[in-house]
Amino acid sequence: DTGVSQDPRHKITKRGQNVTFRCDPISEHNRLYWYRQTLGQGPEFLTYFQNEAQLEKSRLLSDRFSAERPKGSFSTLEIQRTEQGDSAMYLCASRKEAGGPYGYTFGSGTRLTVV
Amino acid sequence: AQTVTQSQPEMSVQEAETVTLSCTYDTSESNYYLFWYKQPPSRQMILVIRQEAYKQQNATENRFSVNFQKAAKSFSLKISDSQLGDTAMYFCAFINAGNNRKLIWGLGTSLAVNP
Repeated sequence: DTGVSQDPRHKITKRGQNVTFRCDPISEHNRLYWYRQTLGQGPEFLTYFQNEAQLEKSRLLSDRFSAERPKGSFSTLEIQRTEQGDSAMYLCASRKEAGGPYGYTFGSGTRLTVV
Repeated sequence: AQTVTQSQPEMSVQEAETVTLSCTYDTSESNYYLFWYKQPPSRQMILVIRQEAYKQQNATENRFSVNFQKAAKSFSLKISDSQLGDTAMYFCAFINAGNNRKLIWGLGTSLAVNP
């Protein structure tokens, strides 16, 4: 296990379509985070999971967004009825719960372009 | 409000020289953790250096060191002997110890190392 994997790396979709992204964390990491990064900005927190439980969601996560981590391993982030404002890099990160807030490992991100 | 401010959107430095990136933050908590992350173009976020707020000694990692001024809420990053591979976006971020979940990010500083 070499790190956090995100799939796909790039996604171009038409406005109104649904998209789903996948994140595979490091296997022993029980915490998984989703962030969104728009051009020229720092990442913004979207949501996080501890094992399969979704413990917090940002107000940025409108009702068109849903995230799951059904078995406490990989996670999916779905965006329904995409809008141009959804165009961004979606970053996934994982870490172990114990040992303090260190050890975040980020994936390479999924870049979404809504046309 | 918890915020991170990076006042230098862009910086450049000649190879082998030293550069300092500035960061100020605002939090009402007394115990927190500070980070500098590097994001090369189209590549994943990588941790450069971290600092626990309760430690007075400034963290160092090879060519990277910080100047942590807790009273001033300042956390600058010094890169010595700059290398071409240091070209990247640099983000300052923190986590409150009591809210051990999500990173709060600055907008980033784009650093170009010139040959």
